[in-house]
Amino acid sequence: GQQVMQIPQYQHVQEGEDFTTYCNSSTTLSNIQWYKQRPGGHPVFLIQLVKSGEVKKQKRLTFQFGEAKKNSSLHITATQTTDVGTYFCAGSSGTSYGKLTFGQGTILTVHP
Amino acid sequence: KAGVTQTPRYLIKTRGQQVTLSCSPISGHRSVSWYQQTPGQGLQFLFEYFSETQRNKGNFPGRFSGRQFSNSRSEMNVSTLELGDSALYLCASSLRQDSMNTEAFFGQGTRLTVV
Repeated sequence: GQQVMQIPQYQHVQEGEDFTTYCNSSTTLSNIQWYKQRPGGHPVFLIQLVKSGEVKKQKRLTFQFGEAKKNSSLHITATQTTDVGTYFCAGSSGTSYGKLTFGQGTILTVHP
Repeated sequence: KAGVTQTPRYLIKTRGQQVTLSCSPISGHRSVSWYQQTPGQGLQFLFEYFSETQRNKGNFPGRFSGRQFSNSRSEMNVSTLELGDSALYLCASSLRQDSMNTEAFFGQGTRLTVV
């Protein structure tokens, strides 16, 4: 079945440093979504990418969807302590809309 | 607008028992999905219901089942509980259309502990 691998598993940064997490799918994706989960919380939707090569920005966050629609990345510029949490990518493929396959997540720690 | 509501928030059950978890989606959302979250396996898709029909199913044994009612509220049931079923069970609702995923709104989850 479809697998979505996400790296790194952990990332520790100093406040102000940049952060990037990468997602790779074993199959071509129809779309990919990104979520953030704060410690003790539930996943919160950040963005959805649909088009090949798509790049979207949300303030300090930049999301990319690969040309082959099999990989994606999330880049945070100048991290802040409020960025702490686990970042997940989640993809769906074929006609399995509604079935999201999540990556393992990247746990981000930001040291002040 | 009220968010996704899951009940109960916490549950302790004994091996062999069964459990039913409930999810009330955001008003107007017809799609409800269930996920199991554990430290070792991450977030794993259980199933999705759309307009009372199971549209997608993950790779979980038949002990895991669900249903959706006409008001879009959903329940999931786990029978013959095993220790490994201890997890956070998350429900997500969305406006999902037939050919497009949309933003999923997650509930706070039900923390199930099997002893």
